[in-house]
Amino acid sequence: EPEVTQTPSHQVTQMGQEVILRCVPISNHLYFYWYRQILGQKVEFLVSFYNNEISEKSEIFDDQFSVERPDGSNFTLKIRSTKLEDSAMYFCASSDGTSRRTDTQYFGPGTRLTVL
Amino acid sequence: AQSVTQLGSHVSVSEGALVLLRCNYSSSVPPYLFWYVQYPNQGLQLLLKYTSAATLVKGINGFEAEFKKSETSFHLTKPSAHMSDAAEYFCAVSSSGGYQKVTFGIGTKLQVIP
Repeated sequence: EPEVTQTPSHQVTQMGQEVILRCVPISNHLYFYWYRQILGQKVEFLVSFYNNEISEKSEIFDDQFSVERPDGSNFTLKIRSTKLEDSAMYFCASSDGTSRRTDTQYFGPGTRLTVL
Repeated sequence: AQSVTQLGSHVSVSEGALVLLRCNYSSSVPPYLFWYVQYPNQGLQLLLKYTSAATLVKGINGFEAEFKKSETSFHLTKPSAHMSDAAEYFCAVSSSGGYQKVTFGIGTKLQVIP
């Protein structure tokens, strides 16, 4: 069964460093998303991406964050200058975009980001 | 704005007993409702979803949920718990089946006691 994959599974970085989290969505999907889950808190929406542009973003997704689909398969989340509070599990998701009503977002296994 | 409230951050049931995980939603538009499950060290897996068709929705692994508009609820049930059901369960809401952002509840950790 097709699945969303994410790399790396765990990333440790120093505060102020740039990180890029990578995702490979399901191959025929058109909509892509990033969510995050700070330890012990809710899963929170960050951004959605369609047709090579951001379609919606949350207030969390400030200028420190950016997303890109650099080729036909990868979808990346970049954090320019990481802060301690960016430590979280980051989930990528994708949906096929065929039906507003029946579409489903499929989630990857997540990347645990630890900022020291 | 949309939100979901999950009652009970931890629920314990005996193996073979009924599982009932509670979720209430708030939405200004007709909601799409989801239950996701997260096993340890894994991602979020869709259990079932309500998309304005049948109010009783059947999902994977024997789970089902009933949409009750009058009670703004979407509780998850399973007649007989299995050890493999131990996981964290998230109720979620969206204004569409999958195009719009999904808003998650805090999650309920289900413990199954042998």
